[in-house]
Amino acid sequence: QKEVEQNSGPLSVPEGAIASLNCTYSDRVSQSFFWYRQYSGKSPELIMSIYSNGDKEDGRFTAQLNKASQYVSLLIRDSQPSDSATYLCADGSSASKIIFGSGTRLSIRP
Amino acid sequence: ETGVTQTPRHLVMGMTNKKSLKCEQHLGHNAMYWYKQSAKKPLELMFVYNFKEQTENNSVPSRFSPECPNSSHLFLHLHTLQPEDSALYLCASSQDLETDTQYFGPGTRLTVL
Repeated sequence: QKEVEQNSGPLSVPEGAIASLNCTYSDRVSQSFFWYRQYSGKSPELIMSIYSNGDKEDGRFTAQLNKASQYVSLLIRDSQPSDSATYLCADGSSASKIIFGSGTRLSIRP
Repeated sequence: ETGVTQTPRHLVMGMTNKKSLKCEQHLGHNAMYWYKQSAKKPLELMFVYNFKEQTENNSVPSRFSPECPNSSHLFLHLHTLQPEDSALYLCASSQDLETDTQYFGPGTRLTVL
C-alpha cells in the first residue's frame, strides 16, 4: 500500500519569509509528484508537479524531489497571507491511483 | 472557477433518503474520478471512470453507486448512508488515465443526519 506522509501542522511563517513544506513517500519506483493547494472550504488546486530529481521553480514556488531519500518538498518564497492554506502532497505515478497525503496547514502571519 | 462543476454544493440528508450528486466537466477529458475528503484524513479515491467505463472501485460500500452516462458527466447515487459518510465529495477529471494532472470540482459538502 503506497503512502504519502506529511506533517499536519499548522506551520506558522511570518510574511515575507520562506515557507518550507515537506513530504515523504513509500513507493521507491514512484515517478510523479504533485503539490495541491486547498483553501478552507474549497477544492484542491494544482500548483506544482515534479518528475525529475532536483529543483523545479515556478514564480515564488520551488518543488524539490530527492528520489534516493523519497522526499518531496515545496518552498514558497516571500510568503503572503494569501498563501495560507492546506498544502497536499500527492504521489501521482498512476493517474487512477493518485495517493494524497493528509496535508499540511500553512498559516502566514502578517 | 474551474472546468469541473458539481451540484449540489451542500446536501443534508437522512439515513433513509436517496440522493444523487452530479459532476460535469467541460474540459473534453476522458477520465473522471470521485474522491471523499473527511476531516483530517487524506483524500480517498472512490471510483475511476475512463471513457465511461469503470476502471477502479476502491472497496467502496454499495450504498454509494456511481454512474457515468458519458465522458462529461458523472453521478454518485447515495442511499441508506451512515453519519460517518458525512464528508466533502470531490469530482475530478483528467485528459486520460495516462495524464496524471487532475482538475477538481468545487465539491459537495454532504451531511448525513
